[in-house]
Amino acid sequence: GENVEQHPSTLSVQEGDSAVIKCTYSDSASNYFPWYKQELGKRPQLIIDIRSNVGEKKDQRIAVTLNKTAKHFSLHITETQPEDSAVYFCAASNNQGGKLIFGQGTELSVKP
Amino acid sequence: DAGVTQSPTHLIKTRGQQVTLRCSPKSGHDTVSWYQQALGQGPQFIFQYYEEEERQRGNFPDRFSGHQFPNYSSELNVNALLLGDSALYLCASSLLPGNHGYTFGSGTRLTVV
Repeated sequence: GENVEQHPSTLSVQEGDSAVIKCTYSDSASNYFPWYKQELGKRPQLIIDIRSNVGEKKDQRIAVTLNKTAKHFSLHITETQPEDSAVYFCAASNNQGGKLIFGQGTELSVKP
Repeated sequence: DAGVTQSPTHLIKTRGQQVTLRCSPKSGHDTVSWYQQALGQGPQFIFQYYEEEERQRGNFPDRFSGHQFPNYSSELNVNALLLGDSALYLCASSLLPGNHGYTFGSGTRLTVV
């Protein structure tokens, strides 16, 4: 069935360091890969997304890479700041209705 | 610009009872999807409504049902509540099914005791 595996489950970095979160998906028909940030008690918020016709996308300190052959995609955050601390979710979707399949989440802690 | 609004924010129910959760989509959106987020887990897709019909459904039992109204708002109903139904229920709206421009609401925290 459709599945998205996300690693690591927790990640602790020093302020200014980089953080990398990796996801693997099973459905080869997946063509849309968003990343959400969820702070405690708040709604998931889209931070960046990538479509299958693109290999990499960057937005300031955040970048996402996609390897369709290997069916994995990654989130890269550079120059981390304490306000980056949150739970990050990857997700995958295909053209059939837009259903998102989420990973299990990564709790990122950025220490000042 | 009103985002997605959900009500109530918190709810406590007894096992076996029924519950109704409500969602108003973002202005301009016509499609509503519901997700269940258990503690420490990623959201899981329950179903999606468009044109007042259920268009897609995840792996949830028939105890979970929904409805969409002509103004695009939606309800999620859960019958015969189980302890395992305790979770954060998220509503997400978008313009047309398959359009990935989701906006999530803040959710309803349901506790079943």
